[in-house]
Amino acid sequence: DVKVTQSSRYLVKRTGEKVFLECVQDMDHENMFWYRQDPGLGLRLIYFSYDVKMKEKGDIPEGYSVSREKKERFSLILESASTNQTSMYLCASSFNSDGFNSPLHFGNGTRLTVT
Amino acid sequence: GQNIDQPTEMTATEGAIVQINCTYQTSGFNGLFWYQQHAGEAPTFLSYNVLDGLEEKGRFSSFLSRSKGYSYLLLKELQMKDSASYLCAVIVGNYQLIWGAGTKLIIKP
Repeated sequence: DVKVTQSSRYLVKRTGEKVFLECVQDMDHENMFWYRQDPGLGLRLIYFSYDVKMKEKGDIPEGYSVSREKKERFSLILESASTNQTSMYLCASSFNSDGFNSPLHFGNGTRLTVT
Repeated sequence: GQNIDQPTEMTATEGAIVQINCTYQTSGFNGLFWYQQHAGEAPTFLSYNVLDGLEEKGRFSSFLSRSKGYSYLLLKELQMKDSASYLCAVIVGNYQLIWGAGTKLIIKP
């Protein structure tokens, strides 16, 4: 079974702090994604990566950056956390089959609260 | 713009059948996913449709009509463990995935 592991299940940070969310997958997937999930909204893509050191902005990249130094690891960075970044963050990975028609495998999520 | 509509919440009875609809208006179409998400857990893949028709997988089936911009997920012989949110997502172009807000399904004994 594909395993996508997010480093923290719950995080509480203060406004202005730099926050790192880590994600590791063990299936040699090319694609990795960071989403946020808020009540009443669909999953919103922050960034995705289709290869090591490659990254593409998603729908809501403002206030975030990412790093992919190794194929199995994709990190999400909140440069200066703000209260409107309080959310559930989901990492996902998939095979790169010339597009996104390979199912995404998700981690269990990190619930981040910024106070 | 890109839009996916799903009912916010549905209620059904254990042992019954329920159909969860998803309609989409998108600039392109390269396939549709259904995912299940239990409260506090990760979404898990249920089905993928790219051609018109019904795909059956045990108690779950998914239907697609590309001309109508419509899909549904059919759950038979409902069990309490089927209480979850069901997410519909459309692949637009090669590298864009548009998600619906999800349908919360409540199963009553």
